[in-house]
Amino acid sequence: SQQGEEDPQALSIQEGENATMNCSYKTSINNLQWYRQNSGRGLVHLILIRSNEREKHSGRLRVTLDTSKKSSSLLITASRAADTASYFCVSTGGGNKLTFGTGTQLKVEL
Amino acid sequence: EAGVAQSPRYKIIEKRQSVAFWCNPISGHATLYWYQQILGQGPKLLIQFQNNGVVDDSQLPKDRFSAERLKGVDSTLKIQPAKLEDSAVYLCASSLGRDLNTIYFGEGSWLTVV
Repeated sequence: SQQGEEDPQALSIQEGENATMNCSYKTSINNLQWYRQNSGRGLVHLILIRSNEREKHSGRLRVTLDTSKKSSSLLITASRAADTASYFCVSTGGGNKLTFGTGTQLKVEL
Repeated sequence: EAGVAQSPRYKIIEKRQSVAFWCNPISGHATLYWYQQILGQGPKLLIQFQNNGVVDDSQLPKDRFSAERLKGVDSTLKIQPAKLEDSAVYLCASSLGRDLNTIYFGEGSWLTVV
């Protein structure tokens, strides 16, 4: 069953603004990954953060991980219309078992 | 590097009919997953394979769903008989199978049951 929860469920911002999405999980993890899903498409891997890391950057993406609070956040800076998509956090536990969050629908308006 | 291949991309069937989806993972990937994603929700794991063995099928409705990965490479997911609530996207994913490896997803197979 899904164990992750994300908030907000939906987020609407103007192009150029920053978007922050949060994710919580329930069990211990080996790593946490963020994926993007455009409407009608598959999931695209964005970034992976290991359980012993606290922050990671990739281009306009910044991910933080707080294992004591079992939470993670994804920050997209200087958003673009093309960033409009659903974003999922996926926690990986033992045995490479994946657990998806509920997803945040991001809409970036021109 | 070729990605995860899935077919068919789209399928419309009537309830009580059967359907099969095929997945070819990235070459060398030991772990293969099938997920069901209902519109507006996150993906739900149906079954996870490690090579040709089943690691987790606890959420697979075994009365109507079946999956196999006979040679540890490609996999088939079958639904028989289909119900209206099976309308969803069926996503296949694969990884090398080690804990820190990225999981790669296919484009999905869209099923509509009418």
